[in-house]
Amino acid sequence: EAGVAQSPRYKIIEKRQSVAFWCNPISGHATLYWYQQILGQGPKLLIQFQNNGVVDDSQLPKDRFSAERLKGVDSTLKIQPAKLEDSAVYLCASSLMGLANTEAFFGQGTRLTVV
Amino acid sequence: DAKTTQPPSMDCAEGRAANLPCNHSTISGNEYVYWYRQIHSQGPQYIIHGLKNNETNEMASLIITEDRKSSTLILPHATLRDTAVYYCIVNPDTGNQFYFGTGTSLTVIP
Repeated sequence: EAGVAQSPRYKIIEKRQSVAFWCNPISGHATLYWYQQILGQGPKLLIQFQNNGVVDDSQLPKDRFSAERLKGVDSTLKIQPAKLEDSAVYLCASSLMGLANTEAFFGQGTRLTVV
Repeated sequence: DAKTTQPPSMDCAEGRAANLPCNHSTISGNEYVYWYRQIHSQGPQYIIHGLKNNETNEMASLIITEDRKSSTLILPHATLRDTAVYYCIVNPDTGNQFYFGTGTSLTVIP
C-alpha cells in the first residue's frame, strides 16, 4: 500500500516570497491533516479536512497560510508571503475517517527554509 | 492543546524493556490514548492506541491504568533503531484530531 506522498522534500525561499506544498493521501482516506513542525518541537496541527470540507483550522495563520482540497483527494498548502519564522517541516497525514479510533499516517514532510 | 505529560528524555539499554510513562489526568470517557514515534528526519509513525483495555501489537504494548489517568508504552526488547521521540496523545472523541506535545526522547544505548 502506497503511503502519504509529499513534494517537494526540500525548499529554500527568500522571505516575502510565496511557496506551495503538495500532498497526496493514502487512497480512500477521507481525512487529511497538515502539520507544522519547528525544530525541537512536536508537530502542530494547522488544518484538518474531511473530504473537501474543513474540520479544524483554528491554528492556521490565515493572514498568510491557505490550504485547499478541492476534489477531496490531494491537497495543497500555501504560504504567501513567507516569514523567517515559517522555517519548519510541513507534514501531511491522512486517516481513513474522522473517528477517534482511526490512526493517522504521516508523510516524510517538506523541509522549508526561509532566508 | 496537548493534554498529556511525559518526561523529556529517557535512556534504555539495548535488549532491555523500555517503559515510557504518560500522564493524562484530564482524559474523558471516550477519548483514546495514542502513541506515535518520530525517528530523526522522518514523519511520525503510529505505534498503538487504546481506550480502556491493555493493548499489544507487533511493535509494543500499551498499559492503561484502571482510572485511565496514566498509561505506559512498553517496547519489550529495545533496539538501537527504537531511538526516537515518543509522543503520547489523547485523541478527542469528536473529529479525530492529533495534538502533539513535546514527547519523550528515548535513547537506546548499546
